[in-house]
Amino acid sequence: GENVEQHPSTLSVQEGDSAVIKCTYSDSASNYFPWYKQELGKGPQLIIDIRSNVGEKKDQRIAVTLNKTAKHFSLHITETQPEDSAVYFCAASRGNNRLAFGKGNQVVVIP
Amino acid sequence: NAGVTQTPKFQVLKTGQSMTLQCAQDMNHNSMYWYRQDPGMGLRLIYYSASEGTTDKGEVPNGYNVSRLNKREFSLRLESAAPSQTSVYFCASSDRAGVSYEQYFGPGTRLTVT
Repeated sequence: GENVEQHPSTLSVQEGDSAVIKCTYSDSASNYFPWYKQELGKGPQLIIDIRSNVGEKKDQRIAVTLNKTAKHFSLHITETQPEDSAVYFCAASRGNNRLAFGKGNQVVVIP
Repeated sequence: NAGVTQTPKFQVLKTGQSMTLQCAQDMNHNSMYWYRQDPGMGLRLIYYSASEGTTDKGEVPNGYNVSRLNKREFSLRLESAAPSQTSVYFCASSDRAGVSYEQYFGPGTRLTVT
Protein backbone atom coordinates (compact mmCIF):
# COMPACT_ATOMS: atom_id res chain seq x y z
CA GLY A 1 0.00 0.00 0.00
CA GLU A 2 0.85 3.67 -0.03
CA ASN A 3 3.60 4.86 2.33
CA VAL A 4 3.76 8.56 3.16
CA GLU A 5 6.68 10.05 5.07
CA GLN A 6 6.96 13.55 6.53
CA HIS A 7 10.04 15.57 7.46
CA PRO A 8 10.95 17.13 9.81
CA SER A 9 8.93 15.79 12.74
CA THR A 10 9.13 19.10 14.62
CA LEU A 11 9.71 22.55 13.21
CA SER A 12 10.20 25.75 15.19
CA VAL A 13 10.04 29.10 13.39
CA GLN A 14 10.11 32.73 14.43
CA GLU A 15 6.87 34.60 13.91
CA GLY A 16 6.90 36.17 10.48
CA ASP A 17 9.31 33.63 8.99
CA SER A 18 8.35 30.89 6.52
CA ALA A 19 7.83 27.22 7.31
CA VAL A 20 8.23 24.34 4.88
CA ILE A 21 7.16 20.75 5.48
CA LYS A 22 8.05 18.02 3.01
CA CYS A 23 6.36 14.71 2.31
CA THR A 24 7.31 11.79 0.11
CA TYR A 25 4.98 9.09 -1.16
CA SER A 26 5.61 5.66 -2.63
CA ASP A 27 2.63 4.85 -4.88
CA SER A 28 3.02 6.38 -8.33
CA ALA A 29 -0.74 5.89 -8.87
CA SER A 30 -1.58 8.44 -6.16
CA ASN A 31 -3.21 11.51 -7.66
CA TYR A 32 -4.59 13.53 -4.76
CA PHE A 33 -2.50 15.14 -2.01
CA PRO A 34 -4.18 17.02 0.85
CA TRP A 35 -2.75 18.74 3.89
CA TYR A 36 -4.59 18.71 7.21
CA LYS A 37 -4.05 20.92 10.25
CA GLN A 38 -4.80 19.63 13.73
CA GLU A 39 -5.08 22.03 16.62
CA LEU A 40 -4.74 20.80 20.17
CA GLY A 41 -7.74 18.75 21.27
CA LYS A 42 -9.47 18.88 17.90
CA GLY A 43 -9.87 16.73 14.83
CA PRO A 44 -7.78 17.40 11.70
CA GLN A 45 -9.11 19.93 9.21
CA LEU A 46 -8.28 20.24 5.53
CA ILE A 47 -6.31 23.41 4.74
CA ILE A 48 -5.21 22.86 1.15
CA ASP A 49 -5.01 20.07 -1.41
CA ILE A 50 -3.56 19.47 -4.85
CA ARG A 51 -4.31 17.10 -7.70
CA SER A 52 -1.61 15.38 -9.74
CA ASN A 53 -2.30 17.45 -12.85
CA VAL A 54 -1.21 20.63 -11.06
CA GLY A 55 2.30 21.56 -9.90
CA GLU A 56 1.45 24.30 -7.40
CA LYS A 57 -1.55 25.73 -5.59
CA LYS A 58 -1.80 28.78 -3.36
CA ASP A 59 -4.36 30.01 -0.85
CA GLN A 60 -3.38 33.26 0.86
CA ARG A 61 -0.35 32.45 3.08
CA ILE A 62 -0.23 28.73 2.35
CA ALA A 63 0.87 26.91 -0.77
CA VAL A 64 1.50 23.35 -1.81
CA THR A 65 3.93 22.17 -4.49
CA LEU A 66 4.02 18.75 -6.11
CA ASN A 67 6.87 16.99 -7.88
CA LYS A 68 5.42 13.82 -9.40
CA THR A 69 8.72 12.66 -10.84
CA ALA A 70 10.41 12.70 -7.46
CA LYS A 71 7.19 11.69 -5.67
CA HIS A 72 7.27 14.45 -3.11
CA PHE A 73 5.10 17.40 -2.18
CA SER A 74 5.57 20.28 0.23
CA LEU A 75 3.53 22.68 2.32
CA HIS A 76 4.74 26.27 2.47
CA ILE A 77 3.47 28.71 5.09
CA THR A 78 4.61 32.31 4.72
CA GLU A 79 4.51 35.11 7.31
CA THR A 80 3.84 32.61 10.09
CA GLN A 81 1.60 33.64 12.96
CA PRO A 82 1.07 32.12 16.43
CA GLU A 83 -2.22 30.58 15.25
CA ASP A 84 -0.23 28.53 12.73
CA SER A 85 1.15 26.48 15.63
CA ALA A 86 -0.37 23.02 15.19
CA VAL A 87 0.29 19.52 13.91
CA TYR A 88 0.22 19.24 10.13
CA PHE A 89 -0.49 15.98 8.30
CA CYS A 90 0.11 15.26 4.66
CA ALA A 91 -1.74 12.46 2.90
CA ALA A 92 -1.94 10.76 -0.47
CA SER A 93 -4.73 8.98 -2.29
CA ARG A 94 -5.43 7.14 -5.53
CA GLY A 95 -8.69 9.03 -5.75
CA ASN A 96 -10.82 6.36 -4.14
CA ASN A 97 -11.52 8.40 -0.97
CA ARG A 98 -9.00 6.39 1.06
CA LEU A 99 -6.18 8.53 2.40
CA ALA A 100 -2.77 7.35 3.58
CA PHE A 101 -1.52 9.84 6.18
CA GLY A 102 1.99 10.76 7.17
CA LYS A 103 2.94 10.76 10.84
CA GLY A 104 2.54 14.49 11.27
CA ASN A 105 4.75 17.53 11.88
CA GLN A 106 4.55 19.70 14.97
CA VAL A 107 4.99 23.34 13.94
CA VAL A 108 5.77 25.81 16.71
CA VAL A 109 5.68 29.52 15.91
CA ILE A 110 7.75 31.50 18.39
CA PRO A 111 6.37 35.01 19.05
CA ASN B 1 -25.30 21.77 10.82
CA ALA B 2 -23.17 19.95 13.44
CA GLY B 3 -20.87 18.16 10.96
CA VAL B 4 -19.41 14.99 12.47
CA THR B 5 -20.25 14.20 16.07
CA GLN B 6 -18.71 11.53 18.27
CA THR B 7 -19.71 10.10 21.64
CA PRO B 8 -18.33 9.72 24.20
CA LYS B 9 -15.52 12.30 24.38
CA PHE B 10 -13.60 10.37 27.02
CA GLN B 11 -13.76 6.78 28.23
CA VAL B 12 -11.78 4.61 30.61
CA LEU B 13 -12.13 0.84 30.27
CA LYS B 14 -10.63 -2.11 32.07
CA THR B 15 -8.94 -4.83 30.06
CA GLY B 16 -11.56 -7.21 28.68
CA GLN B 17 -14.47 -4.78 28.81
CA SER B 18 -16.41 -3.93 25.69
CA MET B 19 -17.75 -0.65 24.37
CA THR B 20 -19.11 1.02 21.27
CA LEU B 21 -17.97 4.39 19.95
CA GLN B 22 -20.70 6.28 18.17
CA CYS B 23 -20.35 8.56 15.17
CA ALA B 24 -22.93 10.52 13.20
CA GLN B 25 -22.72 13.01 10.33
CA ASP B 26 -25.37 15.37 9.02
CA MET B 27 -23.75 16.27 5.68
CA ASN B 28 -25.40 13.47 3.66
CA HIS B 29 -21.98 11.98 2.98
CA ASN B 30 -21.63 8.55 1.45
CA SER B 31 -18.31 7.50 2.98
CA MET B 32 -17.36 7.22 6.65
CA TYR B 33 -14.13 6.24 8.39
CA TRP B 34 -12.66 5.30 11.73
CA TYR B 35 -9.05 6.22 12.53
CA ARG B 36 -6.88 5.88 15.55
CA GLN B 37 -4.17 8.40 16.45
CA ASP B 38 -1.21 7.41 18.56
CA PRO B 39 1.82 9.58 19.42
CA GLY B 40 4.33 9.51 16.59
CA MET B 41 2.15 7.24 14.46
CA GLY B 42 -0.10 9.69 12.68
CA LEU B 43 -3.62 8.67 11.68
CA ARG B 44 -4.16 5.01 10.91
CA LEU B 45 -7.32 3.74 9.25
CA ILE B 46 -9.18 1.05 11.20
CA TYR B 47 -12.29 0.52 9.05
CA TYR B 48 -14.18 2.47 6.48
CA SER B 49 -17.54 2.40 4.76
CA ALA B 50 -17.55 3.60 1.18
CA SER B 51 -21.35 3.69 1.11
CA GLU B 52 -24.32 2.64 3.17
CA GLY B 53 -24.37 -1.14 3.50
CA THR B 54 -20.65 -1.70 2.89
CA THR B 55 -17.67 -1.85 5.24
CA ASP B 56 -14.02 -2.67 4.60
CA LYS B 57 -10.92 -3.21 6.67
CA GLY B 58 -8.27 -0.55 6.82
CA GLU B 59 -4.69 -0.69 8.00
CA VAL B 60 -5.26 -1.79 11.64
CA PRO B 61 -8.63 -3.65 11.93
CA ASN B 62 -7.69 -6.34 14.46
CA GLY B 63 -9.68 -6.12 17.69
CA TYR B 64 -12.42 -3.92 16.21
CA ASN B 65 -15.76 -4.31 14.50
CA VAL B 66 -17.91 -1.72 12.78
CA SER B 67 -21.53 -1.20 11.82
CA ARG B 68 -22.86 1.22 9.23
CA LEU B 69 -26.24 1.60 10.83
CA ASN B 70 -27.61 3.93 8.15
CA LYS B 71 -26.24 6.69 5.95
CA ARG B 72 -25.70 8.99 8.96
CA GLU B 73 -24.22 6.64 11.56
CA PHE B 74 -21.09 4.51 11.74
CA SER B 75 -20.16 2.81 15.00
CA LEU B 76 -16.92 1.19 16.17
CA ARG B 77 -17.01 -1.65 18.66
CA LEU B 78 -14.26 -3.01 20.88
CA GLU B 79 -15.37 -6.47 21.98
CA SER B 80 -12.59 -7.11 24.50
CA ALA B 81 -10.51 -4.02 25.14
CA ALA B 82 -6.72 -4.30 25.49
CA PRO B 83 -4.18 -1.72 26.73
CA SER B 84 -2.81 -1.55 23.15
CA GLN B 85 -6.14 0.02 22.15
CA THR B 86 -5.48 3.07 24.32
CA SER B 87 -5.64 5.84 21.74
CA VAL B 88 -7.59 8.78 20.39
CA TYR B 89 -10.25 7.65 17.93
CA PHE B 90 -11.50 9.87 15.14
CA CYS B 91 -14.49 9.38 12.92
CA ALA B 92 -14.58 11.10 9.54
CA SER B 93 -16.89 11.37 6.57
CA SER B 94 -16.59 12.39 2.94
CA ASP B 95 -18.66 12.69 -0.16
CA ARG B 96 -18.27 10.06 -2.84
CA ALA B 97 -15.06 9.79 -4.82
CA GLY B 98 -15.12 11.99 -7.90
CA VAL B 99 -17.27 14.62 -6.19
CA SER B 100 -15.07 15.60 -3.28
CA TYR B 101 -12.20 13.94 -1.51
CA GLU B 102 -12.19 16.13 1.60
CA GLN B 103 -12.65 14.23 4.81
CA TYR B 104 -14.42 15.95 7.69
CA PHE B 105 -13.31 14.81 11.12
CA GLY B 106 -15.16 14.65 14.39
CA PRO B 107 -13.65 15.95 17.67
CA GLY B 108 -12.37 12.53 18.73
CA THR B 109 -12.83 10.06 21.58
CA ARG B 110 -9.96 9.65 24.02
CA LEU B 111 -9.94 6.04 25.20
CA THR B 112 -7.79 4.65 27.99
CA VAL B 113 -7.66 0.91 28.68
CA THR B 114 -6.13 -0.08 32.01
